[in-house]
Amino acid sequence: AQKVTQTQTSISVMEKTTVTMDCVYETQDSSYFLFWYKQTASGEIVFLIRQDSYKKENATVGHYSLNFQKPKSSIGLIITATQIEDSAVYFCAMREGSNNAGAKLTFGGGTRLTVRP
Amino acid sequence: ETAVFQTPNYHVTQVGNEVSFNCKQTLGHDTMYWYKQDSKKLLKIMFSYNNKQLIVNETVPRRFSPQSSDKAHLNLRIKSVEPEDSAVYLCASSLRGANTGQLYFGEGSKLTVL
Repeated sequence: AQKVTQTQTSISVMEKTTVTMDCVYETQDSSYFLFWYKQTASGEIVFLIRQDSYKKENATVGHYSLNFQKPKSSIGLIITATQIEDSAVYFCAMREGSNNAGAKLTFGGGTRLTVRP
Repeated sequence: ETAVFQTPNYHVTQVGNEVSFNCKQTLGHDTMYWYKQDSKKLLKIMFSYNNKQLIVNETVPRRFSPQSSDKAHLNLRIKSVEPEDSAVYLCASSLRGANTGQLYFGEGSKLTVL
């Protein structure tokens, strides 16, 4: 069974700095997909970035990037030049590689990021 | 811009009552989900439907039943609520076979059971 663990429950950083949020996962599949989602204070959950397990290059979208370390089953989220509005709860998630429409996302417990002015 | 709509956004009720949450997506997706988020922010999948067919049914109490009239709608009925059902219920949708797992979430329906 797949499992996703985020050990950092909360992080606080100063605005305009860089922050890394950790995530480790467990899976028996050789092919899988890793995601980061953001939940704002309003409760809205939005997709941020994704890494396919077969890709060696780390994904980057805007000021979000990933640190994918496959041997360590780790997928860290890096936010550079943080802004106040980056304050939110960040979820790591994994989808195993089945092409079955029933394949589901398993989420980590979330990391609350607070960006201070 | 929201494209997954949930109603109601809040509901307070007594133990033993029946509750229904509705969800509609306008993205043309063919797969829809219900997730439960508890007070500790833990997100767990409950059900998944593809083109009106149930494809994922996690271990949830039998008082929970999903209903889908078409691929754009997925409702959730709770027959006789219990205090532990207090949570936020999140509806989501995605494209089947996209193999991405990119979900689009609604704003959530917060249930409080007194």
